Amino acid sequence: AQKITQTQPGMFVQEKEAVTLDCTYDTSDQSYGLFWYKQPSSGEMIFLIYQGSYDEQNATEGRYSLNFQKARKSANLVISASQLGDSAMYFCAMREGTQGAQKLVFGQGTRLTINP
Amino acid sequence: KAGVTQTPRYLIKTRGQQVTLSCSPISGHRSVSWYQQTPGQGLQFLFEYFSETQRNKGNFPGRFSGRQFSNSRSEMNVSTLELGDSALYLCASSQPPSARGYEQYFGPGTRLTVT
Repeated sequence: AQKITQTQPGMFVQEKEAVTLDCTYDTSDQSYGLFWYKQPSSGEMIFLIYQGSYDEQNATEGRYSLNFQKARKSANLVISASQLGDSAMYFCAMREGTQGAQKLVFGQGTRLTINP
Repeated sequence: KAGVTQTPRYLIKTRGQQVTLSCSPISGHRSVSWYQQTPGQGLQFLFEYFSETQRNKGNFPGRFSGRQFSNSRSEMNVSTLELGDSALYLCASSQPPSARGYEQYFGPGTRLTVT
């Protein structure tokens, strides 16, 4: 079974600093997908970024980038120039199952707090 | 394009009752997945429906069931509610694969409290 580990229960960062949220995964599949989601206090899960296991370049979406190190099985999220609105829970997830089947396995999350 | 909608947003039930939650996916999305989120267990996959068929199922008791209609709207039902069923229930819909992979778009969730 696949497993996602987020070792940082909470992080506190000053506004405008860059922040890295750690994520390691465990899978025996050759083809997989890795996701990061943001969950504000309202509860909705907001898609941030996706990395496919065969993608050679690290994914980027605006201020978000994914530092994908396949050999180390890590997929860290980097947020550049953090903003107060970035304060939220962040979840790393992996797509499990056959192609097309949509099952995500989530880590326990990291609560990020941006201080002014 | 409207996002994923879930109704109701909040629900209070008593033990032993049953509950039905509804999810309307983004227009054109045919896959709907359900997740349960609790402080203790985190986010756990319940099941996924595609074209009215359950395609994947998580490790939950048979009290949890779901279905999908021809318009891709989905419902999940929990019978004989237990206190431990109190959770945020999230629904997600996904589009056919693109260069960004199988993105799942989540709704705002239904917060169920069982007393």
